[in-house]
Amino acid sequence: AQSVTQPDIHITVSEGASLELRCNYSYGATPYLFWYVQSPGQGLQLLLKYFSGDTLVQGIKGFEAEFKRSQSSFNLRKPSVHWSDAAEYFCAVGTNTDKLIFGTGTRLQVFP
Amino acid sequence: DTEVTQTPKHLVMGMTNKKSLKCEQHMGHRAMYWYKQKAKKPPELMFVYSYEKLSINESVPSRFSPECPNSSLLNLHLHALQPEDSALYLCASSQGDRSYGYTFGSGTRLTVV
Repeated sequence: AQSVTQPDIHITVSEGASLELRCNYSYGATPYLFWYVQSPGQGLQLLLKYFSGDTLVQGIKGFEAEFKRSQSSFNLRKPSVHWSDAAEYFCAVGTNTDKLIFGTGTRLQVFP
Repeated sequence: DTEVTQTPKHLVMGMTNKKSLKCEQHMGHRAMYWYKQKAKKPPELMFVYSYEKLSINESVPSRFSPECPNSSLLNLHLHALQPEDSALYLCASSQGDRSYGYTFGSGTRLTVV
């Protein structure tokens, strides 16, 4: 079955520290993978996506993610977190039936 | 224009009311979606329209009725809702090629009283 797992429900980091949010997927075919960010009460904004090519993808706001097929992972990273990065982060996989399957999300809190 | 616009941003309705949520995009996307999101949960797919035709209904109760008048507009008609239907309703659109991902609107915060 197709699924996305985000093991960390809540992560707290200090401003300026590095960040890694974990995502594992289960999908039989070539996965189309996405990271979205959601601020409270807002819609979802696409940070980055992967579907082929270079396994290290760059996104907006200084984020990057690395696709590792052997580990079925697509972890999101940022070298230095800003207070404005505090939000909910969702990993998702795009299926061939026009559905987007989301993970349960990771809430990021940033301390000054 | 690279946005999905949803109106209204907030809506409070009684259980006997009829109301509609609206969604508009001018990116030429061929697919449009309704998602429901409860607090601290991921979005859950409700409906998918492809080329203005309903292609996916995720067993949504009939008190929710989607409509796609044209390729740029998507409505969600609400009737006889329950308090547990209170949620953030998100509209999204896509080119239909899953490699591009979805563009989401900012949502309508619905409260049923």
